[in-house]
Amino acid sequence: QKEVEQDPGPLSVPEGAIVSLNCTYSNSAFQYFMWYRQYSRKGPELLMYTYSSGNKEDGRFTAQVDKSSKYISLFIRDSQPSDSATYLCAMSKGNQFYFGTGTSLTVIP
Amino acid sequence: KAGVTQTPRYLIKTRGQQVTLSCSPISGHRSVSWYQQTPGQGLQFLFEYFSETQRNKGNFPGRFSGRQFSNSRSEMNVSTLELGDSALYLCASSLVPGQNTGELFFGEGSRLTVL
Repeated sequence: QKEVEQDPGPLSVPEGAIVSLNCTYSNSAFQYFMWYRQYSRKGPELLMYTYSSGNKEDGRFTAQVDKSSKYISLFIRDSQPSDSATYLCAMSKGNQFYFGTGTSLTVIP
Repeated sequence: KAGVTQTPRYLIKTRGQQVTLSCSPISGHRSVSWYQQTPGQGLQFLFEYFSETQRNKGNFPGRFSGRQFSNSRSEMNVSTLELGDSALYLCASSLVPGQNTGELFFGEGSRLTVL
C-alpha cells in the first residue's frame, strides 16, 4: 500500500463549478500537508500547505485536513479554465516528502 | 529572482547509455532534492543533498547517483539506462533541509526518453 493515495481522475467540470480533490494517507507521522499544482510541461508549484487539522483558505482555494481520518482535501470555488492542471497532494515527515500521483483537472469554459 | 534551472530540458538516449542532468537551485537555497515523475508512479524521491552531502536516498538502484557542488548546484547521473528510466526528472530546492513548510521549489524538469 502506498503511503499517499490520490484518485488520478481525470476530472472534468464546467467553469464556475466547485471542485473537490482528495487524498488519503496511512502514516500518522506526517506533519505537514501540501497541495501542488502542475501545469503541462512545467514543474509543480506550491499552492497551499497546512500543519494542523482544520481548514485553511486562500482566495478561491480551501485546504482541509482531517488527521483522525487521515484524509485531506482541496476545494476550488468558482473554478476557472486557468485552473486546468494536475493537482498533487504531498505530505512530509522530517525532511522527506511523499507525493500523491496527482489528479488531472480540466475546467471547461 | 531566478527560479530553479534544469538542463537539458529534453533528451533522448538509447538503452545502455548513461545520462547526466544538471540543476541550479534558487540563489541562496542550499538543499537540492531530485524526483522521478512517471504517469503510473507519480513523484518518487531519488535523493537529497545539502552542503555537498547526500542526506537522504530513495529506493532506487545504484545506477542512480548524484552529487552537489560547493555552489549548491547539483547533478544526477543514471548509468546503463533502461527503458523504464524514461520519465520527467524534477529538481527541487529549498533554503535548508528540514524546513517543514512544504516549500519545495521545483524546476521545469528534464524529460528523458530511453529508446
